Amino acid sequence: DAMVIQNPRYQVTQFGKPVTLSCSQTLNHNVMYWYQQKSSQAPKLLFHYYDKDFNNEADTPDNFQSRRPNTSFCFLDIRSPGLGDAAMYLCATSRDLGGTGGRGGYTFGSGTRLTVV
Amino acid sequence: EDKVVQSPLSLVVHEGDTVTLNCSYEVTNFRSLLWYKQEKKAPTFLFMLTSSGIEKKSGRLSSILDKKELFSILNITATQTGDSAVYLCAVEKGTYKYIFGTGTRLKVLA
Repeated sequence: DAMVIQNPRYQVTQFGKPVTLSCSQTLNHNVMYWYQQKSSQAPKLLFHYYDKDFNNEADTPDNFQSRRPNTSFCFLDIRSPGLGDAAMYLCATSRDLGGTGGRGGYTFGSGTRLTVV
Repeated sequence: EDKVVQSPLSLVVHEGDTVTLNCSYEVTNFRSLLWYKQEKKAPTFLFMLTSSGIEKKSGRLSSILDKKELFSILNITATQTGDSAVYLCAVEKGTYKYIFGTGTRLKVLA
């Protein structure tokens, strides 16, 4: 089955130590998104790539960076994680930005839960 | 099979009209329902609903959830051309798993 896969499922990192979360997709979707979700809150969009075109949300801290070396992979780099960065990080894909949901539309990975100690 | 169904699929109205968009769901382990607005960019978060019967409002937009009948509605009053977009409903199933509806494409004519 075509999927969005995030690794690892759980990541524990030290305060201030750079960490990278990864996402891969077999859907051949053009768009890849990174969301941050904290408990009882809606997912917050950090940035997205449309092909190689990077789009940062205005309120995404500089501490968060992303790379998309090819269609299939996208990485979230947190340069100096703080305690407030502990959250679930969700990767999602969509075929395009035309607003198509449902089957073949948005697909979320299972997330990486980041703990900062 | 879990599913999220939005209706109508598309809608054309005139400025000033009021519209109601529907989202019904059959999802095991429901946690929350989210509404997004999408123009030709990443979706913009509108509302997150977890409790039945409590209306959430933001300007001309409002939304309510009925967990007994398994649906939510998104209302837009006094529509403007800037409201033209695709409106997406997503249900969080279990923890951090999302199922999206197919969206309702709204076009508001001047």
